[in-house]
Amino acid sequence: DQQVKQNSPSLSVQEGRISILNCDYTNSMFDYFLWYKKYPAEGPTFLISISSIKDKNEDGRFTVFLNKSAKHLSLHIVPSQPGDSAVYFCAATSPGNAGNMLTFGGGTRLMVKP
Amino acid sequence: EPEVTQTPSHQVTQMGQEVILRCVPISNHLYFYWYRQILGQKVEFLVSFYNNEISEKSEIFDDQFSVERPDGSNFTLKIRSTKLEDSAMYFCASSEGPGGGYTFGSGTRLTVV
Repeated sequence: DQQVKQNSPSLSVQEGRISILNCDYTNSMFDYFLWYKKYPAEGPTFLISISSIKDKNEDGRFTVFLNKSAKHLSLHIVPSQPGDSAVYFCAATSPGNAGNMLTFGGGTRLMVKP
Repeated sequence: EPEVTQTPSHQVTQMGQEVILRCVPISNHLYFYWYRQILGQKVEFLVSFYNNEISEKSEIFDDQFSVERPDGSNFTLKIRSTKLEDSAMYFCASSEGPGGGYTFGSGTRLTVV
C-alpha cells in the first residue's frame, strides 16, 4: 500500500545548483504534507510543510510546491549545499486522522557535490 | 533547542525476550508517537498517544506491543516477545498539537537475534 511514493531513490546535484525532490500521493484525503531530512544515525528532522489550501510555501532556501490535481508535491532547495546531503522523506496526513498519523514516502538520498 | 531523547541507542535481544524502549518527549508536547524503519524500508507509523491513551495504532501494532507513559516525562514502547522481524530502528516523536511537524528522537536500533 504505497499511498506516498518517492520514485527517485537518489539524486546527485552540484553545489550551488537547484535540487528538486519529488513526491506523489494517491490518497485524496491527505490535506497536509511535510518534508523531513534524515542524516545517518539520527531521527528525521522536520524541514517544511504545506497545507492543501496552498500551492507553495517557502522558507529560506527551501520551497515546497503542491499540485493537488496531479497529487504531486516537490521540494526545491536552492542553492544546494554539501551539508544538504541526506535522505529526504515526504510525508502526508489527513484531517480524519485522529491520531495525527504520518504516512511516509520511501525517501530520496540527495548528494550535493562540492 | 528542545529535543526528544531515546534510550538505549542500540539494543540487542534474544528472540522471545521482552524489550522496553524508552523516550523522553519534549516537555510541553501533548502528542507522542512511535514509528519504526526496517532497514531499507519506509518509516512506518506504529502508534500515537494523547491524553494518556492510544489515539491511533497501525496494524503493525498488535498485541505484542504496548505503550505507557508511566510518569510525567517518559514514554515507553514495550515488545512482549520479540521476533526476528522486529529488528528495526524505532523512532519516538512528539508534537505540541495535531497537524504540526513532529520532533523525532535519534532512534533505538533494535536487533533481535
